[in-house]
Amino acid sequence: GNSVTQMEGPVTLSEEAFLTINCTYTATGYPSLFWYVQYPGEGLQLLLKATKADDKGSNKGFEATYRKETTSFHLEKGSVQVSDSAVYFCALSTPYSGAGSYQLTFGKGTKLSVIP
Amino acid sequence: EPEVTQTPSHQVTQMGQEVILRCVPISNHLYFYWYRQILGQKVEFLVSFYNNEISEKSEIFDDQFSVERPDGSNFTLKIRSTKLEDSAMYFCASRGPASYNEQFFGPGTRLTVL
Repeated sequence: GNSVTQMEGPVTLSEEAFLTINCTYTATGYPSLFWYVQYPGEGLQLLLKATKADDKGSNKGFEATYRKETTSFHLEKGSVQVSDSAVYFCALSTPYSGAGSYQLTFGKGTKLSVIP
Repeated sequence: EPEVTQTPSHQVTQMGQEVILRCVPISNHLYFYWYRQILGQKVEFLVSFYNNEISEKSEIFDDQFSVERPDGSNFTLKIRSTKLEDSAMYFCASRGPASYNEQFFGPGTRLTVL
């Protein structure tokens, strides 16, 4: 079955530090890959996505590249801000046998705290 | 910007009681989902719903659970007889016909079973 493994948190960084959150996956077929973010008290928001190998998803200074050879989709940001403090979830979806369910399989989430 | 809404934000119930969690998906979306997140654990898929029927469900979604779209706007998750282990955050999500890969999530309902 499908599974997603992401680095355990929490991660605490100083403002302007470089961020990497590792994510690797196991899936049958060719999954689409996602990073979702959950700010305190809010729901899950799509941060970025990539739908095929070597695609790079990017948004708000965050980037992740779909690496089929290493089955990875690591999240990076060059300079984090206090407002980036949130929980980050790596996820994948594959179509369900023609019904097109595209259910998401999530990692456990990584809590990021950025301090001034 | 359209958004998915969920009510209530927090529900406290006694073990064995029935609860109904409500969601209003984005209006032109056709695919609907429920996920749950037990505290400190990963977000888990429960069920997907399309064209007024369940299209896929996980092992978690047993006979105690049911979903319904009673009208053109609401999407509900019912737990018939709650157990302590049903305590979790429940997220509703929807996606439209054009953006087949992107699901939009609601803010969640925190269910506490005592």
